[in-house]
This record gives sequence, C-alpha cells and structure tokens, in this order.
Amino acid sequence: QVQLVESGGGVVQPGRSLRLSCVASGFPFSSYGMHWVRQAPGKGLEWLAVIWSDGTNKYYADSVEGRFTISRDNSKNTLYLQMNSLRVEDTAVYSCARDKRLYCVTNACPGSDGSDLWGQGTMVTVSS
Amino acid sequence: DIQLTQSPSFLSASVGDRVTITCRASQGNSKFLAWYQQKPGKAPKLLIYAASTLQSGVSSRFSGSGSGTEFTLTITSLQPEDFGTYYCQQLNGYPAVFTFGPGTKVDVK
Repeated sequence: QVQLVESGGGVVQPGRSLRLSCVASGFPFSSYGMHWVRQAPGKGLEWLAVIWSDGTNKYYADSVEGRFTISRDNSKNTLYLQMNSLRVEDTAVYSCARDKRLYCVTNACPGSDGSDLWGQGTMVTVSS
Repeated sequence: DIQLTQSPSFLSASVGDRVTITCRASQGNSKFLAWYQQKPGKAPKLLIYAASTLQSGVSSRFSGSGSGTEFTLTITSLQPEDFGTYYCQQLNGYPAVFTFGPGTKVDVK
C-alpha cells in the first residue's frame, strides 16, 4: 500500500552522527519532492529539509543547516537524513513526508501544496 | 525569517459548535498555506492546501480561507473525532519556506 516507513533512530551521544532512512512504497517515489520534519517531545512540528524529486536541489532549516544532509536514492525508493554533530536539542521523532506538489523554478521552490503522506516517525534521543 | 502565529493556542468546544482557528504570517503569502490535524501519537493529516482547497477524503465540515498574512481554518460543526492539535504551514517563500505554526490544541467537551 501507499506508505512511508522510517528507520535508523536510536540513542546517540552528543557530537555523534546518525543516518535515518525512509522507504517509500505504493507510489512513484521519483516523481515527488520529499521532506524531513521532526517533533520534540511535547512540542510542535519543525520542518527540517526538502529535496526535489530528482535530488538536484535541497533546502534546510537554519537549525540544521551545515549539520544535516538530505539525500535520496530513487532506485531504492529511499530518502535519507544524515545527521552530524548531534545535540541534546535534536532529540525528537523524525518523520519523512511526501510533498503533494512542489512548485519549483531554477534553484528555488517558492510554493507547495503541503505534505499529503507521512511516515509514523523514528525516535532519536541525543543524550550522554 | 517568516514567523507564524496561531490563535488561540487552546480551545475547548462542544459537539456541534463552529470553531475558527487563525494563522498569521509575519510576511505576506499568496495562497500557499496548508492546515494539518494531528492526533496524539499519530502522523499529521493534511486537511487544507492552497489556503482553501479541501484535501481529498477530508470532511467538508473543514474549510479554509484567507490570503496575505491572515488565514483561518473553520470547523462548521465540531465532532468528537475532531480533537487534536491543528497546525498551519507556510509554503511560500524564496528559495524555499516550509514553516509550521505553533499549533492549536482542540478539545471536544
């Protein structure tokens, strides 16, 4: 069926790295832009990163720019989030989400119709 | 950076009530704004996109309106299953903006 399934979460010490995966099924993964979003315990949603359908453009929230890298392998229907230099404040449930429709021009995506498919998330705990 | 505020942050209403949640943006937006419902322990669900377009499969008691810097989500007749937290998301900006609002928690009496 149409779904997104995340994996790779766990407990990690501050300063260490972790790579999350999101496997898509039931739809043409290579046709959609994809996002990573996180939610700290008891807090709201925080958008982290987006990648175009073909992987050519990526954008990040200021809070993770330079530390996190979004990527995708369309041959494996898989989205990734490489997280480096993790901090205690990165503790959250990390979810991938499919963009319903990204309106992109050269080097920018100034519009979107939102995320219409979400995974259940994977928990990342950063603690010493 | 674009900032979003939502009001109220919490509301409690009775079954059948009309409920309105407001989302205000610090910078003008065309109509690239979405609304989500999230229930505890569950993934967010897209309700409205392009400020006023109902996502397929979503009850017609949900509606959205607005443009520029002020947007609203209305539930015309609140139902018991409408509890949860509602988030707006700004989706218009250069080179890419996907900011979420802080959320409005809805309790059904």
